[in-house]
Amino acid sequence: DTEVTQTPKHLVMGMTNKKSLKCEQHMGHRAMYWYKQKAKKPPELMFVYSYEKLSINESVPSRFSPECPNSSLLNLHLHALQPEDSALYLCASKGQTNNEQFFGPGTRLTVL
Amino acid sequence: SQELEQSPQSLIVQEGKNLTINCTSSKTLYGLYWYKQKYGEGLIFLMMLQKGGEEKSHEKITAKLDEKKQQSSLHITASQPSHAGIYLCGADMAGTASKLTFGTGTRLQVTL
Repeated sequence: DTEVTQTPKHLVMGMTNKKSLKCEQHMGHRAMYWYKQKAKKPPELMFVYSYEKLSINESVPSRFSPECPNSSLLNLHLHALQPEDSALYLCASKGQTNNEQFFGPGTRLTVL
Repeated sequence: SQELEQSPQSLIVQEGKNLTINCTSSKTLYGLYWYKQKYGEGLIFLMMLQKGGEEKSHEKITAKLDEKKQQSSLHITASQPSHAGIYLCGADMAGTASKLTFGTGTRLQVTL
């Protein structure tokens, strides 16, 4: 299995809702990433988990809460989001011996 | 200003023509990654370059990293409609291989 999966593919939520994005990989990678990508912009790093521990937080607002319950799973919990948080959220993973990051297909989030 | 600039921003080429996309950094690149993205989808890994002067090819795509490791180019020979998409360069600027900074992107259209 050489892919990163993300669910859901699309998500529409209100500003008072609580939702979660899920990312999964079974390549044995121990580094996992969340990126945010606005339309016509490059992806921007949000969080990095290394060996299931948060190693990088790019000053992301607390309404985004990452979680890495095990080495294959990465979640992003969303609460009280703003319309400007609408974007494509991409998950990626990286192995220990090769530096290339493998990306999932993304979750397109719309906040109303 | 952007740490990683790509040029051109967009490109329209006729099928069968060659094209080059450039990625220029203001800092030394410890690793340079080329990705392709279809609109609203995940990133597909193309190539990784790490050594100054390195050149890699895959099918009709060739990527080079200059000797000073501050500029990379992606060259497509005999372009096809399947090459259409957004090309992104990503760079490891810290030498940690933990964090990628992405370029501004180049949108490629291939006309028949």
